[in-house]
Parts: sequence; C-alpha cells; structure tokens
Amino acid sequence: GAVVSQHPSWVICKSGTSVKIECRSLDFQATTMFWYRQFPKQSLMLMATSNEGSKATYEQGVEKDKFLINHASLTLSTLTVTSAHPEDSSFYICSATRGHADEQYFGPGTRLTVT
Amino acid sequence: SQQGEEDPQALSIQEGENATMNCSYKTSINNLQWYRQNSGRGLVHLILIRSNEREKHSGRLRVTLDTSKKSSSLLITASRAADTASYFCATDGRETSGSRLTFGEGTQLTVNP
Repeated sequence: GAVVSQHPSWVICKSGTSVKIECRSLDFQATTMFWYRQFPKQSLMLMATSNEGSKATYEQGVEKDKFLINHASLTLSTLTVTSAHPEDSSFYICSATRGHADEQYFGPGTRLTVT
Repeated sequence: SQQGEEDPQALSIQEGENATMNCSYKTSINNLQWYRQNSGRGLVHLILIRSNEREKHSGRLRVTLDTSKKSSSLLITASRAADTASYFCATDGRETSGSRLTFGEGTQLTVNP
C-alpha cells in the first residue's frame, strides 16, 4: 500500500506555455502533499506543502503565482507551472503523508523540459 | 534553516563489500530518514530513526544517530550491484511542523559486480 502516482512522467513544452502535473495517492487518503524540485545531480528542494481544501504553503523564494498548487481532494494535488521558461526545466517530485505518520511516500517524478 | 550534508559525495565499491554513508545536520530534529533514488526515478523510503533512538536495523541496513554530534550514518552490508543508486538523508526539524523534510546533498553509490 501507499502508492503515489504522477502524471505525466515527462513533458516537453514551449516557452511561455503552462504545464499541469498531477499527483495522486492511489490507495490511501493523503493528509498532506508536498512538491519538490530536483535539478540534475542535485538534491530535492521543497517547493510547497499543501493540505486538502486549504491554500498551499510555499517555501521562501518559490513564486506562488508561477507555481500554482491546487489540492482538490484527499487523493489529488496538481502543480501548474505557468508561463514556463527554460530555467523551469527540472524533475518535479511529489510526496504524500498518511494520517499523522512521519514517512513520506514519493511519486515517480515528472521530467519537465521547456524549449 | 538546517541543511543536511552528506559524505562522501560519491562512493564506488565492489559487490559484497560494505558501504557507509554519513550525514550531518545543523538544528534539532524530530527524526532523520534515509531515502534511495535510482537515476531519474522517485524516492524510496529506507528507514526512519527518531531523535531518541541511537541505532536501527532493517535487513542489510544499519542506521546510527548521534544527536550530540548532529550526525547519522547509513551502513549497507554485503552490497549488491542492485544497490547502485543515490542515497539521501532527510531531517524532520523540531522547529517545523507537518513533516517538512530537509534533504542532504546525497551520496552516489556505485556497486561494481
């Protein structure tokens, strides 16, 4: 149990367009979902934390108007990269927690390439 | 903000040998977790050790935690080629809530067959 999926697994888009990435908890209700960004050969950087039905909490330096997060249900959170630019190209990973447990369950990631 | 630092950044060993990776952090924590990431994939949770624990085992994994030195180590015994991956430590800080994790820079482990 505790499977998290992401869709799409990879996407290529043109500069200036918007891209939506979905994160779903398949077999449990996620108390909280997290969005991370990872550049090549680097560590994960937390972008934002989201709880169902409330506004996401963004980390310092992350533009909330550029990275729109919608946590519509206990099993779905979406990240929309608006007006994407080549520097937004990265690996985006979501994770979810179940109940009050400390462990985070990670999705397989989405590779975004902006041309 | 706290930052996890890991060493070595890269480790190459032969199959059957043990691999030890270290992680240091800067602030008080609730727990420390180790994750594994295969290239281009998501993270897999390996083990969690709480701030009041000193050592934990899971199969071929052994984790230690020294809160006085703010450091942790991950030992993989009898390594296999399939253990080749990046390993990250992540801390859940006491000053934060909601299980916000701060990840270390990671150690790239290569196990040669």
